[in-house]
Amino acid sequence: GENVEQHPSTLSVQEGDSAVIKCTYSDSASNYFPWYKQELGKRPQLIIDIRSNVGEKKDQRIAVTLNKTAKHFSLHITETQPEDSAVYFCAASWGDIIQGAQKLVFGQGTRLTINP
Amino acid sequence: NAGVTQTPKFQVLKTGQSMTLQCAQDMNHNSMYWYRQDPGMGLRLIYYSASEGTTDKGEVPNGYNVSRLNKREFSLRLESAAPSQTSVYFCASSPRWDGGGYTFGSGTRLTVV
Repeated sequence: GENVEQHPSTLSVQEGDSAVIKCTYSDSASNYFPWYKQELGKRPQLIIDIRSNVGEKKDQRIAVTLNKTAKHFSLHITETQPEDSAVYFCAASWGDIIQGAQKLVFGQGTRLTINP
Repeated sequence: NAGVTQTPKFQVLKTGQSMTLQCAQDMNHNSMYWYRQDPGMGLRLIYYSASEGTTDKGEVPNGYNVSRLNKREFSLRLESAAPSQTSVYFCASSPRWDGGGYTFGSGTRLTVV
Protein backbone atom coordinates (compact mmCIF):
# COMPACT_ATOMS: atom_id res chain seq x y z
CA GLY A 1 0.00 0.00 0.00
CA GLU A 2 0.85 3.67 0.03
CA ASN A 3 3.28 5.10 2.57
CA VAL A 4 3.66 8.82 3.19
CA GLU A 5 6.61 10.27 5.08
CA GLN A 6 6.49 13.87 6.33
CA HIS A 7 9.32 16.10 7.54
CA PRO A 8 10.06 17.85 9.78
CA SER A 9 7.94 16.76 12.71
CA THR A 10 8.31 20.20 14.33
CA LEU A 11 9.14 23.55 12.75
CA SER A 12 9.59 26.92 14.40
CA VAL A 13 9.93 30.10 12.33
CA GLN A 14 9.89 33.82 12.98
CA GLU A 15 6.79 35.73 12.03
CA GLY A 16 7.14 36.98 8.47
CA ASP A 17 9.55 34.24 7.41
CA SER A 18 8.68 31.31 5.16
CA ALA A 19 7.97 27.74 6.20
CA VAL A 20 8.42 24.62 4.09
CA ILE A 21 7.11 21.14 4.89
CA LYS A 22 8.05 18.16 2.74
CA CYS A 23 6.41 14.81 2.05
CA THR A 24 7.38 11.75 0.08
CA TYR A 25 5.10 8.96 -1.08
CA SER A 26 5.70 5.43 -2.28
CA ASP A 27 2.93 4.55 -4.75
CA SER A 28 3.51 6.06 -8.20
CA ALA A 29 -0.21 5.55 -8.96
CA SER A 30 -1.21 8.20 -6.40
CA ASN A 31 -2.64 11.20 -8.21
CA TYR A 32 -4.15 13.50 -5.59
CA PHE A 33 -2.22 15.27 -2.82
CA PRO A 34 -4.04 17.45 -0.28
CA TRP A 35 -2.72 19.37 2.72
CA TYR A 36 -4.70 19.76 5.93
CA LYS A 37 -4.34 22.17 8.82
CA GLN A 38 -5.40 21.13 12.29
CA GLU A 39 -5.63 23.60 15.14
CA LEU A 40 -5.51 22.36 18.71
CA GLY A 41 -8.63 20.37 19.58
CA LYS A 42 -10.18 20.93 16.16
CA ARG A 43 -10.84 18.82 13.11
CA PRO A 44 -8.42 18.76 10.13
CA GLN A 45 -9.36 21.23 7.43
CA LEU A 46 -8.27 21.24 3.81
CA ILE A 47 -6.07 24.21 2.94
CA ILE A 48 -4.78 23.33 -0.53
CA ASP A 49 -4.52 20.34 -2.84
CA ILE A 50 -2.81 19.39 -6.09
CA ARG A 51 -3.33 16.77 -8.75
CA SER A 52 -0.66 14.79 -10.54
CA ASN A 53 -1.04 16.66 -13.82
CA VAL A 54 0.01 19.94 -12.18
CA GLY A 55 3.45 20.84 -10.86
CA GLU A 56 2.55 23.81 -8.67
CA LYS A 57 -0.50 25.49 -7.22
CA LYS A 58 -0.80 28.73 -5.25
CA ASP A 59 -3.46 30.24 -3.05
CA GLN A 60 -2.43 33.60 -1.60
CA ARG A 61 0.39 32.85 0.90
CA ILE A 62 0.20 29.09 0.46
CA ALA A 63 1.68 27.04 -2.36
CA VAL A 64 2.19 23.36 -3.04
CA THR A 65 4.73 21.85 -5.43
CA LEU A 66 4.76 18.31 -6.76
CA ASN A 67 7.59 16.29 -8.29
CA LYS A 68 6.06 13.06 -9.59
CA THR A 69 9.36 11.67 -10.79
CA ALA A 70 10.90 11.93 -7.34
CA LYS A 71 7.58 11.20 -5.62
CA HIS A 72 7.64 14.14 -3.29
CA PHE A 73 5.53 17.22 -2.70
CA SER A 74 5.93 20.26 -0.48
CA LEU A 75 3.89 22.93 1.25
CA HIS A 76 5.23 26.48 1.23
CA ILE A 77 3.83 29.19 3.49
CA THR A 78 5.17 32.69 2.93
CA GLU A 79 4.93 35.75 5.20
CA THR A 80 3.94 33.56 8.13
CA GLN A 81 1.55 34.91 10.75
CA PRO A 82 0.77 33.75 14.30
CA GLU A 83 -2.51 32.21 13.12
CA ASP A 84 -0.52 29.85 10.90
CA SER A 85 0.57 28.01 14.07
CA ALA A 86 -1.01 24.55 13.87
CA VAL A 87 -0.30 20.95 12.91
CA TYR A 88 -0.12 20.36 9.16
CA PHE A 89 -0.72 17.01 7.48
CA CYS A 90 0.04 15.96 3.94
CA ALA A 91 -1.81 13.09 2.32
CA ALA A 92 -1.80 11.02 -0.86
CA SER A 93 -4.66 9.19 -2.52
CA TRP A 94 -4.43 5.44 -2.69
CA GLY A 95 -6.59 2.53 -3.70
CA ASP A 96 -8.43 0.78 -6.49
CA ILE A 97 -10.24 3.25 -8.70
CA ILE A 98 -12.46 0.49 -10.03
CA GLN A 99 -13.71 -0.23 -6.52
CA GLY A 100 -15.00 3.30 -6.43
CA ALA A 101 -13.24 4.92 -3.52
CA GLN A 102 -9.68 5.90 -3.16
CA LYS A 103 -8.54 6.65 0.35
CA LEU A 104 -6.21 9.24 1.75
CA VAL A 105 -3.03 8.08 3.45
CA PHE A 106 -1.68 10.76 5.78
CA GLY A 107 1.79 11.79 6.81
CA GLN A 108 2.73 11.93 10.48
CA GLY A 109 2.16 15.68 10.78
CA THR A 110 4.29 18.78 11.33
CA ARG A 111 3.76 21.06 14.30
CA LEU A 112 4.43 24.57 13.03
CA THR A 113 5.04 27.34 15.54
CA ILE A 114 5.24 30.97 14.46
CA ASN A 115 7.27 33.08 16.89
CA PRO A 116 6.26 36.76 17.14
CA ASN B 1 -26.19 22.39 6.86
CA ALA B 2 -24.40 20.48 9.64
CA GLY B 3 -21.78 18.70 7.46
CA VAL B 4 -20.42 15.67 9.31
CA THR B 5 -21.76 15.07 12.81
CA GLN B 6 -20.09 12.70 15.26
CA THR B 7 -21.37 11.49 18.60
CA PRO B 8 -20.31 11.32 21.34
CA LYS B 9 -17.56 13.95 21.64
CA PHE B 10 -15.96 12.32 24.66
CA GLN B 11 -16.18 8.83 26.14
CA VAL B 12 -14.41 6.87 28.86
CA LEU B 13 -14.69 3.09 28.72
CA LYS B 14 -13.43 0.31 30.91
CA THR B 15 -11.41 -2.45 29.30
CA GLY B 16 -13.75 -5.01 27.78
CA GLN B 17 -16.72 -2.69 27.41
CA SER B 18 -18.31 -2.11 24.03
CA MET B 19 -19.56 1.02 22.36
CA THR B 20 -20.60 2.45 19.02
CA LEU B 21 -19.39 5.74 17.59
CA GLN B 22 -21.97 7.40 15.38
CA CYS B 23 -21.35 9.45 12.25
CA ALA B 24 -23.85 11.13 9.96
CA GLN B 25 -23.39 13.44 6.98
CA ASP B 26 -25.98 15.59 5.25
CA MET B 27 -24.00 16.42 2.11
CA ASN B 28 -25.19 13.45 0.02
CA HIS B 29 -21.62 12.10 -0.16
CA ASN B 30 -21.06 8.57 -1.39
CA SER B 31 -17.86 7.73 0.48
CA MET B 32 -17.35 7.69 4.23
CA TYR B 33 -14.29 6.91 6.36
CA TRP B 34 -13.20 6.27 9.92
CA TYR B 35 -9.72 7.36 11.04
CA ARG B 36 -7.94 7.31 14.35
CA GLN B 37 -5.41 9.93 15.36
CA ASP B 38 -2.59 9.19 17.76
CA PRO B 39 0.27 11.53 18.70
CA GLY B 40 3.10 11.43 16.17
CA MET B 41 1.29 8.99 13.89
CA GLY B 42 -0.99 11.16 11.83
CA LEU B 43 -4.40 9.84 10.86
CA ARG B 44 -4.70 6.14 10.15
CA LEU B 45 -7.61 4.63 8.25
CA ILE B 46 -9.64 2.06 10.16
CA TYR B 47 -12.50 1.28 7.76
CA TYR B 48 -14.16 2.95 4.83
CA SER B 49 -17.32 2.70 2.77
CA ALA B 50 -17.13 3.54 -0.92
CA SER B 51 -20.90 3.66 -1.23
CA GLU B 52 -24.04 2.61 0.56
CA GLY B 53 -23.97 -1.13 1.15
CA THR B 54 -20.20 -1.58 0.93
CA THR B 55 -17.48 -1.49 3.57
CA ASP B 56 -13.82 -2.41 3.53
CA LYS B 57 -10.82 -2.56 5.83
CA GLY B 58 -8.25 0.14 6.05
CA GLU B 59 -4.80 0.18 7.60
CA VAL B 60 -5.73 -0.64 11.23
CA PRO B 61 -9.07 -2.56 11.32
CA ASN B 62 -8.35 -5.03 14.13
CA GLY B 63 -10.73 -4.65 17.07
CA TYR B 64 -13.30 -2.64 15.11
CA ASN B 65 -16.41 -3.26 13.05
CA VAL B 66 -18.47 -0.87 10.95
CA SER B 67 -21.95 -0.53 9.55
CA ARG B 68 -23.04 1.67 6.66
CA LEU B 69 -26.64 1.97 7.78
CA ASN B 70 -27.69 4.12 4.81
CA LYS B 71 -26.12 6.79 2.65
CA ARG B 72 -26.00 9.26 5.55
CA GLU B 73 -24.78 7.13 8.43
CA PHE B 74 -21.59 5.15 9.07
CA SER B 75 -20.99 3.75 12.55
CA LEU B 76 -17.87 2.33 14.18
CA ARG B 77 -18.16 -0.33 16.87
CA LEU B 78 -15.65 -1.45 19.47
CA GLU B 79 -16.79 -4.87 20.68
CA SER B 80 -14.31 -5.25 23.53
CA ALA B 81 -12.38 -2.06 24.18
CA ALA B 82 -8.65 -2.21 24.95
CA PRO B 83 -6.33 0.52 26.27
CA SER B 84 -4.57 0.51 22.87
CA GLN B 85 -7.79 1.90 21.39
CA THR B 86 -7.45 5.10 23.39
CA SER B 87 -7.37 7.70 20.63
CA VAL B 88 -9.21 10.48 18.87
CA TYR B 89 -11.54 9.13 16.21
CA PHE B 90 -12.53 11.12 13.15
CA CYS B 91 -15.23 10.33 10.67
CA ALA B 92 -15.00 11.86 7.19
CA SER B 93 -17.02 11.89 4.01
CA SER B 94 -16.16 12.61 0.40
CA PRO B 95 -18.20 13.20 -2.75
CA ARG B 96 -15.40 12.14 -5.04
CA TRP B 97 -13.96 8.82 -6.02
CA ASP B 98 -10.38 10.07 -5.65
CA GLY B 99 -10.73 10.80 -1.92
CA GLY B 100 -10.85 14.50 -2.58
CA GLY B 101 -13.06 16.95 -0.80
CA TYR B 102 -12.86 15.21 2.56
CA THR B 103 -15.02 16.81 5.23
CA PHE B 104 -14.15 15.71 8.74
CA GLY B 105 -16.40 15.47 11.75
CA SER B 106 -15.38 17.16 15.00
CA GLY B 107 -13.95 13.96 16.46
CA THR B 108 -14.56 11.63 19.41
CA ARG B 109 -11.97 11.51 22.17
CA LEU B 110 -12.05 7.98 23.57
CA THR B 111 -10.18 6.84 26.66
CA VAL B 112 -10.07 3.17 27.63
CA VAL B 113 -8.97 2.51 31.21
